[in-house]
Amino acid sequence: ILNVEQSPQSLHVQEGDSTNFTCSFPSSNFYALHWYRWETAKSPEALFVMTLNGDEKKKGRISATLNTKEGYSYLYIKGSQPEDSATYLCAFRRGTSYGKLTFGQGTILTVHP
Amino acid sequence: GAGVSQSPSNKVTEKGKDVELRCDPISGHTALYWYRQSLGQGLEFLIYFQGNSAPDKSGLPSDRFSAERTGGSVSTLTIQRTQQEDSAVYLCASSWIVGTGKNTNYGYTFGSGTRLTVV
Repeated sequence: ILNVEQSPQSLHVQEGDSTNFTCSFPSSNFYALHWYRWETAKSPEALFVMTLNGDEKKKGRISATLNTKEGYSYLYIKGSQPEDSATYLCAFRRGTSYGKLTFGQGTILTVHP
Repeated sequence: GAGVSQSPSNKVTEKGKDVELRCDPISGHTALYWYRQSLGQGLEFLIYFQGNSAPDKSGLPSDRFSAERTGGSVSTLTIQRTQQEDSAVYLCASSWIVGTGKNTNYGYTFGSGTRLTVV
């Protein structure tokens, strides 16, 4: 059984605050770590696919880091805006022959104006 | 189409009835996945299709669940004799595949899901 854990489960911040969430995953047989942003009634939107230990990726105010040796990834949001409110999902892919993802439970972010 | 299309977007059904959920993947995407998210849970893998065959159906929770894919395209997830615990958002994703073995890369696109409520 693969355990992918995300923390915190939910987070309330004020507009302008910076915040971060954690995703922990098995450190063995790692292939890739995906981050998604999911708003209600919409499709999950891919943020990052991270494959190399020490990877750092950035998209606007959102960035992510990866540590495959210890099995964790951080997602950072700088200067949160109300439109950042969503569920942030991480998903782990093992080094198997196809692309099945194992998801964490998600972090629900609410940014208050 | 431009994206992965799922229908219906919402479905309310009575306990004991059968339901069919449809997924139209992106044309040319050979891999197709079904996931579901129950209340308070993470996204849970159900089944994977490569073309029309399903090499991994290990996530189907019971024999009331079945899925098929025809023409390497549309997939249907069928739930027979629905129960209240089947209430969830059912998500479909398709992906292209490039490479083989450990050098395989996938590009996922998710649909917006079907919210199933069993009353």
